[in-house]
Amino acid sequence: DGGITQSPKYLFRKEGQNVTLSCEQNLNHDAMYWYRQDPGQGLRLIYYSQIVNDFQKGDIAEGYSVSREKKESFPLTVTSAQKNPTAFYLCASSMGPSGETQYFGPGTRLLVL
Amino acid sequence: QKEVEQDPGPLSVPEGAIVSLNCTYSNSAFQYFMWYRQYSRKGPELLMYTYSSGNKEDGRFTAQVDKSSKYISLFIRDSQPSDSATYLCAMSPISGYSTLTFGKGTMLLVSP
Repeated sequence: DGGITQSPKYLFRKEGQNVTLSCEQNLNHDAMYWYRQDPGQGLRLIYYSQIVNDFQKGDIAEGYSVSREKKESFPLTVTSAQKNPTAFYLCASSMGPSGETQYFGPGTRLLVL
Repeated sequence: QKEVEQDPGPLSVPEGAIVSLNCTYSNSAFQYFMWYRQYSRKGPELLMYTYSSGNKEDGRFTAQVDKSSKYISLFIRDSQPSDSATYLCAMSPISGYSTLTFGKGTMLLVSP
């Protein structure tokens, strides 16, 4: 089955720790995205990538980093510089350039210990 | 003024009711319009996708776009308890490397 997978489903971060969220897609989509969702805030774009080895900052990139070494993978690292990381993180992909219909993964819930 | 406005709800209706969910927007460049459904603690799933103005129907769901009023709607006929979820609208311009702009979502509760 084609789709987007995210792992882990739940992730716990200690103070000062960097953690990495995994996102993989087998839809052969060019573009991939990371969003953060907080209650009452809607979806906020963290980073997006339109092509391998290239990515752009979204609205709330501070404290996060990404890489796009393979077309099917777009991992997100939440660094210790992100002071309020507790949120629901969603990965998405689209076939072509940004702005096209996006398909979402199941999400990762990050909690701070 | 926010680019996309969506009433957060919750909107509570009895089973079988017709539901109307709406978004208004300010950017006249928006041409692609989407509706997503998100169950609690799950990723959003695409429900409807429309381009420019007009209506699109898919089963119990109808998406309507009125570009002159900068207003989009999603109608759900014969609503079911399984329709209880948060509904997000999203939109983007016709071209260019731009990202989707999302509404904050409306929570719908359908009671049996």
